[in-house]
Amino acid sequence: GENVEQHPSTLSVQEGDSAVIKCTYSDSASNYFPWYKQELGKRPQLIIDIRSNVGEKKDQRIAVTLNKTAKHFSLHITETQPEDSAVYFCAASLSWGKLQFGAGTQVVVTP
Amino acid sequence: GAVVSQHPSWVICKSGTSVKIECRSLDFQATTMFWYRQFPKQSLMLMATSNEGSKATYEQGVEKDKFLINHASLTLSTLTVTSAHPEDSSFYICSAGGRSSYEQYFGPGTRLTVT
Repeated sequence: GENVEQHPSTLSVQEGDSAVIKCTYSDSASNYFPWYKQELGKRPQLIIDIRSNVGEKKDQRIAVTLNKTAKHFSLHITETQPEDSAVYFCAASLSWGKLQFGAGTQVVVTP
Repeated sequence: GAVVSQHPSWVICKSGTSVKIECRSLDFQATTMFWYRQFPKQSLMLMATSNEGSKATYEQGVEKDKFLINHASLTLSTLTVTSAHPEDSSFYICSAGGRSSYEQYFGPGTRLTVT
């Protein structure tokens, strides 16, 4: 089955700096890669996703890149703000929707 | 947008009792629902995939006789934790498959504490 590795486990950044989280996956058939933000005690919130036919996608301060050959994808958050502090999960999926999550990254943005 | 609800949002039960958690898709029909478990400071682990009108598919290591899943309609799936023990205490989250095969919509989760 699919295995997703995520690094780093914790990330501390100064407000205004950029944050980068990286994930690798094992199943070359995976074709959907969402990123979720989860605050304590709440549901995961989809922040951006990318499909395998696209190499990069951007939404305001958030971008995701995908390298299918190397089987890795990354989340980039620019101009970080304190409200970006949360746990971020990457995931990989085959088209029928079964998600395999990474271990998560605790992001702390300090003012 | 697609809305998924869960009930209850939290529950405390005694060891040995059973607890039922409901997951509803409020404004769309979900042929597939997923059940996840999340322990503190850990990731979401898929427990089972639930398809309307058929038996659930459980992930390796998940006891199907302990975690009973029923998906009797296109808007409701239930997870029953039978003979709960303290190690079953966790955050249980459901998600529902959307119109696109890629989309999933998460419920708000149910915090289960077994004493």
